[in-house]
Amino acid sequence: KQEVTQIPAALSVPEGENLVLNCSFTDSAIYNLQWFRQDPGKGLTSLLLIQSSQREQTSGRLNASLDKSSGRSTLYIAASQPGDSATYLCAVIGANSKLTFGKGITLSVRP
Amino acid sequence: DTGVSQNPRHKITKRGQNVTFRCDPISEHNRLYWYRQTLGQGPEFLTYFQNEAQLEKSRLLSDRFSAERPKGSFSTLEIQRTEQGDSAMYLCASSSYRGRHTEAFFGQGTRLTVV
Repeated sequence: KQEVTQIPAALSVPEGENLVLNCSFTDSAIYNLQWFRQDPGKGLTSLLLIQSSQREQTSGRLNASLDKSSGRSTLYIAASQPGDSATYLCAVIGANSKLTFGKGITLSVRP
Repeated sequence: DTGVSQNPRHKITKRGQNVTFRCDPISEHNRLYWYRQTLGQGPEFLTYFQNEAQLEKSRLLSDRFSAERPKGSFSTLEIQRTEQGDSAMYLCASSSYRGRHTEAFFGQGTRLTVV
């Protein structure tokens, strides 16, 4: 059974700091990995999708990497801003065609 | 296309009542997923469709839950005889699968409160 872990559960950083959010998964047989952002009481917004054949994807200040063999992904946020404050979730999709989520990392960026 | 749409956004119901939620996916997407999320947890899989066929239903889902996707377009999720433990955010997502998994997009969710 696929398990996705995101540690720590919460993170607080000062504005302007570069930061890395980690995600690990137990079964490396995945098709892709997707990072999402969730604001309080809202749905999920897709940030980046990494196909299993890819090593990384970039969108603006965000860069996500994938190491399938070690079961790890990282989301790098450059020059963090208060507007980046949210919960960040990673999810993997495997042969079962389902997205399996971690519990998320709640990020707070202090002005 | 305005993305995945869910209605209603909020629902308060009394224990024992039936509720139905609707999801309108992105029009060209053939896959539709339902998830449930409680506070502090990641979304938990409930069921998914490819076109009109329901391909899998979570074993965690009791018989009180049923989902349909007639004609492979919108989907409904019904909960019968609601219980307080059903209180959660219900999320719908859609994606396109044609031999390859693509990016999944989520709606804004329906927050259910059972009193």
